[in-house]
Amino acid sequence: AQSVTQLDSHVSVSEGTPVLLRCNYSSSYSPSLFWYVQHPNKGLQLLLKYTSAATLVKGINGFEAEFKKSETSFHLTKPSAHMSDAAEYFCVVLGKAAGNKLTFGGGTRVLVKP
Amino acid sequence: DVKVTQSSRYLVKRTGEKVFLECVQDMDHENMFWYRQDPGLGLRLIYFSYDVKMKEKGDIPEGYSVSREKKERFSLILESASTNQTSMYLCASSLADSYEQYFGPGTRLTVT
Repeated sequence: AQSVTQLDSHVSVSEGTPVLLRCNYSSSYSPSLFWYVQHPNKGLQLLLKYTSAATLVKGINGFEAEFKKSETSFHLTKPSAHMSDAAEYFCVVLGKAAGNKLTFGGGTRVLVKP
Repeated sequence: DVKVTQSSRYLVKRTGEKVFLECVQDMDHENMFWYRQDPGLGLRLIYFSYDVKMKEKGDIPEGYSVSREKKERFSLILESASTNQTSMYLCASSLADSYEQYFGPGTRLTVT
């Protein structure tokens, strides 16, 4: 079985400062991990994915995430927050032994202050 | 671009009513999924389907059923709506062997 824990339910940052969203996972298999973003009144959009290639993964809109097996973590970062980054972010693990089902973390809501 | 559409953005129903939520995708995807999204719980899988007329239970199927008569359409049915089914419902689709799911905008259902 797999599970995902997002360590912060809310994160508040000032525009132009770094963003860090923390995610820890549990998986019986070598995991595939994802970050999705959900802007207000919009569907979820894939930000980036890790599928056992490079451990540092770059995504859209300047986001990146680093897979650390020893820490079972997949934290999402961005060097400089923009007002348009205000959204909810979900860390997701793929259950390869469970018919490719996705398991979602509880979400982190990001507020960006001007 | 893949497009996943859901029949309603907002829906208000009374306890005991039968409720249908419709989802349509236009990219010939084999897989379709229904999730519910609740604050602090992320998305939880209700049902999914790998093919027409096929369905599999997800993590929280109780109180729900689904129908997939055509490849592009996947319906979620609440046989007798209850207040604890008030939630945001999201539909998604993907290709047969792909992990990448494409999501619709969601239907916010309120049961009073």
